[in-house]
Amino acid sequence: GNSVTQMEGPVTLSEEAFLTINCTYTATGYPSLFWYVQYPGEGLQLLLKATKADDKGSNKGFEATYRKETTSFHLEKGSVQVSDSAVYFCALMWAGTSGSRLTFGEGTQLTVNP
Amino acid sequence: SQTIHQWPATLVQPVGSPLSLECTVEGTSNPNLYWYRQAAGRGLQLLFYSVGIGQISSEVPQNLSASRPQDRQFILSSKKLLLSDSGFYLCAWSAKSGSPNQVQYFGPGTRLTVL
Repeated sequence: GNSVTQMEGPVTLSEEAFLTINCTYTATGYPSLFWYVQYPGEGLQLLLKATKADDKGSNKGFEATYRKETTSFHLEKGSVQVSDSAVYFCALMWAGTSGSRLTFGEGTQLTVNP
Repeated sequence: SQTIHQWPATLVQPVGSPLSLECTVEGTSNPNLYWYRQAAGRGLQLLFYSVGIGQISSEVPQNLSASRPQDRQFILSSKKLLLSDSGFYLCAWSAKSGSPNQVQYFGPGTRLTVL
């Protein structure tokens, strides 16, 4: 079946540090891959996505590249800010018999200290 | 632009009481609708999804049910809440465009505590 494995948290960084959150997936076919972010007390917001191999999604300084050979979609940011503190979810979308579905990883809590 | 609303934002209910959570979408028609639950410190679990009025698919057997009485309204219900029903409930929508890889957009969520 389809599954997503994320790097366990929590992750604590100082402002301006480099961020990597690892994400690997197992899927049949060629799913689309997503990163969602959840700020405290809020719902999920789409951060970035990639729909095919070698695609790079980017938004707000975050990037992730769809690597089919390693089945990975690691999230990176060169210089984190305190406002990036949130929970980050990696997800894959696959086509079921009645529409597309999302499978999420467990989420990684990021705390950025000033 | 499209917006998605959920209410209430927070809810505290005793064990055995009924539940009704509502989700509505504006600015689009005939969306796919989803209910997810996020237990404390864990990822998201898909509970129900709907591709149209009256069409509900259940992903996880449990004491919850869902209904879609109108095109842009999705309701999550229970007749008798359990302690294990506590969590953060998220509604989401996606468009139907023929692509199997549509983005899902999430509402602000309802935090349910069952005591």
